[in-house]
Amino acid sequence: GQQVMQIPQYQHVQEGEDFTTYCNSSTTLSNIQWYKQRPGGHPVFLIQLVKSGEVKKQKRLTFQFGEAKKNSSLHITATQTTDVGTYFCAGQGTSYDKVIFGPGTSLSVIP
Amino acid sequence: GAVVSQHPSRVICKSGTSVKIECRSLDFQATTMFWYRQFPKKSLMLMATSNEGSKATYEQGVEKDKFLINHASLTLSTLTVTSAHPEDSSFYICSARDTRYNSPLHFGNGTRLTVT
Repeated sequence: GQQVMQIPQYQHVQEGEDFTTYCNSSTTLSNIQWYKQRPGGHPVFLIQLVKSGEVKKQKRLTFQFGEAKKNSSLHITATQTTDVGTYFCAGQGTSYDKVIFGPGTSLSVIP
Repeated sequence: GAVVSQHPSRVICKSGTSVKIECRSLDFQATTMFWYRQFPKKSLMLMATSNEGSKATYEQGVEKDKFLINHASLTLSTLTVTSAHPEDSSFYICSARDTRYNSPLHFGNGTRLTVT
């Protein structure tokens, strides 16, 4: 079945440093979504990527969808303490049905 | 934006009892809702897909008689953990998509279940 992998599992950065998390799917995806979960909270939707090679930006966050629609990345420029949390990628196969989550990358930002 | 309401947020029950968790889409109709389970510091594991008016589709390894799902209307899905045991203690989260727009998932706030 479809599997979604994500690396790294944990990342500790100094405030102001950049951060990147990478997501890979075992199968081609119809779209990929990114979510952020703060400690004690529920996942909050960040963005959805649909097109091959798509790049989207949200302020300091840059999201990319690979050409083969099997991998994606999230890059945060100049991290802030408010960026702390776990970032999950989630992929949907061509069925447009269930969404499978990656294991997440937990980001800690040291002030 | 789309809102998904989940209740209760926290429940403590004794072994052997059953617990019902409700998931409602407040401002959109959701023909499909998803139930996830999350262990501490772990990812969200899809348990089942809840389909309005029909049987839920369970993921491999999830006991359908243990986790009863009912999706009786376009805005409500329920998950009942039957004969709960301590190993069922977990964080359960529902989500729904506004299928008119193939939207991303909107999550409820989750239910922290503790079985003593």
